[in-house]
Amino acid sequence: NAGVTQTPKFQVLKTGQSMTLQCAQDMNHNSMYWYRQDPGMGLRLIYYSASEGTTDKGEVPNGYNVSRLNKREFSLRLESAAPSQTSVYFCASSVTGGYSNQPQHFGDGTRLSIL
Amino acid sequence: EDQVTQSPEALRLQEGESSSLNCSYTVSGLRGLFWYRQDPGKGPEFLFTLYSAGEEKEKERLKATLTKKESFLHITAPKPEDSATYLCAVQMAGFQKLVFGTGTRLLVSP
Repeated sequence: NAGVTQTPKFQVLKTGQSMTLQCAQDMNHNSMYWYRQDPGMGLRLIYYSASEGTTDKGEVPNGYNVSRLNKREFSLRLESAAPSQTSVYFCASSVTGGYSNQPQHFGDGTRLSIL
Repeated sequence: EDQVTQSPEALRLQEGESSSLNCSYTVSGLRGLFWYRQDPGKGPEFLFTLYSAGEEKEKERLKATLTKKESFLHITAPKPEDSATYLCAVQMAGFQKLVFGTGTRLLVSP
């Protein structure tokens, strides 16, 4: 049972470099999400996609872009990495978005360090 | 402002010593409260959803309860394998945005 798969698991970048984090889910979920987790702070939503073909900003979208490639895949891109983007990034998916209160299911994260 | 506060930040228990974790929230129009378990180096693992005050859910040694202002995660006779960080998240009215607390780190010693 793969669930939500994130690649890579670890990455070190230099300031100004670009990178795309990949996420794929095999649960036939409609909605997908990107979060970041920093010490002492709760998970914060970066972007989400309620359904294939739609994306919206979350709480902390600055410096990031996303692409919902198809129903299974949702990628997060850092165009010009900054040290403040050092974090653990989690992708999640849920059956539906909108007004549904279905739980979100998470991948195991990408640990990103920016020097 | 919508907020979720978890307490304590850290809790150390002896094996078999029951206790409770607290999640208090101030959000408008609660649509659901979620409990997750997170092991080091892993993503959050879904445990429970609670939808309305008075609701209770159980799974093995864990029992989650919900009031209008807070939720409790009761751990009965914990084992070392229950050691993890427990996260609480609330969903507000409107789109499926979750507001997460910062978690309670639980350590159960044999």
